[in-house]
Amino acid sequence: KQEVTQIPAALSVPEGENLVLNCSFTDSAIYNLQWFRQDPGKGLTSLLLIQSSQREQTSGRLNASLDKSSGRSTLYIAASQPGDSATYLCASLMGTGNQFYFGTGTSLTVIP
Amino acid sequence: DTEVTQTPKHLVMGMTNKKSLKCEQHMGHRAMYWYKQKAKKPPELMFVYSYEKLSINESVPSRFSPECPNSSLLNLHLHALQPEDSALYLCASSPRAGADTQYFGPGTRLTVL
Repeated sequence: KQEVTQIPAALSVPEGENLVLNCSFTDSAIYNLQWFRQDPGKGLTSLLLIQSSQREQTSGRLNASLDKSSGRSTLYIAASQPGDSATYLCASLMGTGNQFYFGTGTSLTVIP
Repeated sequence: DTEVTQTPKHLVMGMTNKKSLKCEQHMGHRAMYWYKQKAKKPPELMFVYSYEKLSINESVPSRFSPECPNSSLLNLHLHALQPEDSALYLCASSPRAGADTQYFGPGTRLTVL
C-alpha cells in the first residue's frame, strides 16, 4: 500500500519568505500527484496536478516538482503571504485502479 | 458552474437515527467520491462511483450506504452510526475516475451522539 509522508508536519514563517514543502511516497508507480490546500474545517482546493510524465507545474507563486525515481515531490511557495496559511496536502493517484492516497499534511502559518 | 455542493453543512444525529448526506455537481463529471476526514488527519477514501456504478468500496462498514441516482448526484445514507464516525465527510468529483483533478465540496461536519 502506498504511504505518503509530508515533512515538516508544521511550519511557521515570516511574511515574504520563500518556502518548500516536501512530500515523499513509497511506491513510484503513480499516475499523477496533486497538491491541495485545506483551510480549517473546510473542503480541499486543488492547487497543482503533475502527471507522471511531467517534472513540474507552475501556477502563480506556486511551483510543484515531481521526481518519481526518488519518490519525492516538492511544493515551492514564493513570497509567502498571511493568506497562504492553511494545511497543504499532497495526494498520489496510483497507476492501477483509482486508489488515491493523501499525505499526512503540512500546517503552514505565515506571520505578518 | 465549477462547484461541488454538499448538504447539510452540519449534522448532529443519535446512534439510532437514519440520515443522508447529499452531494451535487453540474460539471458533467462522471466520477464521484466520498471521503472521511478526522480532525488533523488526511482524508480517507470511502467510495468511488464511475459512470454511476460503484467501482471502489474501501471496506467501509455497512452502516454507510452510498447511492448514485444519476451522474450529478451522490448520496451517503447513514444508519446506526457510532460516536467514532463523527468526522468531516467530503465529496469530490472528477471528469473521469482516476486521471483527472478532483474537485472537492466544502464537506458535511457530522457529529454522532
